[in-house]
Amino acid sequence: GENVEQHPSTLSVQEGDSAVIKCTYSDSASNYFPWYKQELGKRPQLIIDIRSNVGEKKDQRIAVTLNKTAKHFSLHITETQPEDSAVYFCAANTGNQFYFGTGTSLTVIP
Amino acid sequence: KAGVTQTPRYLIKTRGQQVTLSCSPISGHRSVSWYQQTPGQGLQFLFEYFSETQRNKGNFPGRFSGRQFSNSRSEMNVSTLELGDSALYLCASSLAGTRADTQYFGPGTRLTVL
Repeated sequence: GENVEQHPSTLSVQEGDSAVIKCTYSDSASNYFPWYKQELGKRPQLIIDIRSNVGEKKDQRIAVTLNKTAKHFSLHITETQPEDSAVYFCAANTGNQFYFGTGTSLTVIP
Repeated sequence: KAGVTQTPRYLIKTRGQQVTLSCSPISGHRSVSWYQQTPGQGLQFLFEYFSETQRNKGNFPGRFSGRQFSNSRSEMNVSTLELGDSALYLCASSLAGTRADTQYFGPGTRLTVL
């Protein structure tokens, strides 16, 4: 089955700096890659997603890039703010089910 | 539209008991998936239901089961609870005409097994 690996597991940045989280996947059939943000005690919330026919997608301070050849995708957050502090999960969908990374705990230091 | 809801939000059970969790999807969504979330393992897929049929199943023992009703509401049941079943159980709904639809998560049910 699919295997999604996510790095780093923890990340601390100064407010205003950029944060990058990377995920790799193993199944070339994966065609949909969402990113979720989960604040403490809350449900995961979709923040951005990308499909395999697109290489990059941007939404304000958040962007996702996808390299199908290398089977990896990344989340980029620019101009980080304290409210960006949360756990971020990547996921890959093979057409049958979602496989999630183990999460990155992002801390933005004011 | 109202979001995905789950009941109850918290449960405390003892080993050997069974438990039933409920999930109400977003109106119009026909697919419901269930996940187990633990600190060490992240989100692990349990199963997905679409139009009252289990469409896919993860690698969990048969003690974990589910069902979906005609109104798309779903329940999952865990029998003979073990300490290791303590976790946050999340359900997610999607339109699911295609399987790569966006999923929206409920708030979860926090299950503690003593």
